[in-house]
Amino acid sequence: EAQVTQNPRYLITVTGKKLTVTCSQNMNHEYMSWYRQDPGLGLRQIYYSMNVEVTDKGDVPEGYKVSRKEKRNFPLILESPSPNQTSLYFCASSASRGLNSPLHFGNGTRLTVT
Amino acid sequence: AQSVTQLDSHVSVSEGTPVLLRCNYSSSYSPSLFWYVQHPNKGLQLLLKYTSAATLVKGINGFEAEFKKSETSFHLTKPSAHMSDAAEYFCVVEPINTGNQFYFGTGTSLTVIP
Repeated sequence: EAQVTQNPRYLITVTGKKLTVTCSQNMNHEYMSWYRQDPGLGLRQIYYSMNVEVTDKGDVPEGYKVSRKEKRNFPLILESPSPNQTSLYFCASSASRGLNSPLHFGNGTRLTVT
Repeated sequence: AQSVTQLDSHVSVSEGTPVLLRCNYSSSYSPSLFWYVQHPNKGLQLLLKYTSAATLVKGINGFEAEFKKSETSFHLTKPSAHMSDAAEYFCVVEPINTGNQFYFGTGTSLTVIP
């Protein structure tokens, strides 16, 4: 089944404790992206990747890192989480950009930072 | 500059009555337009997309949307609401030839009253 898989679904952590949210897609998609969803703000892009070893900042990259060593994986890293990073996070992938290819989303990771 | 405006943050309809969720966009270029649905604790699922073929686009679950360039609108409709339609709906714009961004509306929460 074609899908985007995020783990974990739920995560509670404390300020400053490094964490990684994994994202994997099995559709051989070139484009991958991370979003955070907050009430009243819709989805905001954190980072995106056009292909392996190519990553770039979205609208709200501060406090986050990503890597794209393999085509299928695009982990999101919070080196020193803070309470304002409490949010619902979505990973998404797309076959390519600029060719009307829709985004395919994972089921989300709800992160709470205390 | 690109932006997406969903004109209603909440819409309530009775089961069996029509649904109208409004979306206006601004884009410097002819965009691709999408509607996504998000059910509780789920990722976003593609409902339909407009990619400059037909202006009236049919999607899944009986939804459709009409692209009106003169009004810069892409409103989502359904003739008869079902209880299972209760969800959050997002209008998304992908401007052509501007690279890597999808622009999300802030969402419309649809309530269906039995």
